[in-house]
Amino acid sequence: TQLLEQSPQFLSIQEGENLTVYCNSSSVFSSLQWYRQEPGEGPVLLVTVVTGGEVKKLKRLTFQFGDARKDSSLHITAAQPGDTGLYLCAGGRAGGTSYGKLTFGQGTILTVHP
Amino acid sequence: GAGVSQTPSNKVTEKGKYVELRCDPISGHTALYWYRQSLGQGPEFLIYFQGTGAADDSGLPNDRFFAVRPEGSVSTLKIQRTERGDSAVYLCASSEGQASYEQYFGPGTRLTVT
Repeated sequence: TQLLEQSPQFLSIQEGENLTVYCNSSSVFSSLQWYRQEPGEGPVLLVTVVTGGEVKKLKRLTFQFGDARKDSSLHITAAQPGDTGLYLCAGGRAGGTSYGKLTFGQGTILTVHP
Repeated sequence: GAGVSQTPSNKVTEKGKYVELRCDPISGHTALYWYRQSLGQGPEFLIYFQGTGAADDSGLPNDRFFAVRPEGSVSTLKIQRTERGDSAVYLCASSEGQASYEQYFGPGTRLTVT
């Protein structure tokens, strides 16, 4: 069983602070996605990384895929109350019947206070 | 264009009853996925369709769960003899095809078994 461990599970910060969420596994993934989910809604895709060492930036969000493709991080600069939500990482594997299956971490609940 | 839609948004049923949950994927997406999300957890893979066929149903918990996609578009997840432990949010996602890692989620159906 492939597991993705996310940390921290809960994060409560003030507006303007920086934060990093980690996603770690003992298994190699072909891709790593980050999603954001709000209450009563489905996860919304933020980014996909597929190359070891890859770094992607989306405004104040920076995503990194580990060199060995076993871990990833999400860094938010100058957090805003609108960033509040559940952040999920998900790993995908290429090949065989595992192709379509995403393995999700348990999520990080982020609360940004004004 | 329209995103993934799911109906109903909420379903309350009694233990032992049969339920059907429907998913309408993004037009043109050939791959469709079902996940289940319990409170405070990340989504858990159930089944994946490529076209009309189930490419991977390894996540279905037992034979009370069944899903179909007869015309390669709309999918129905069917649960027989529901149990209280089946209560969760059932999420559907679609992607352009087997080669795409990026899955787009619907808002989910919240199933409550009383």
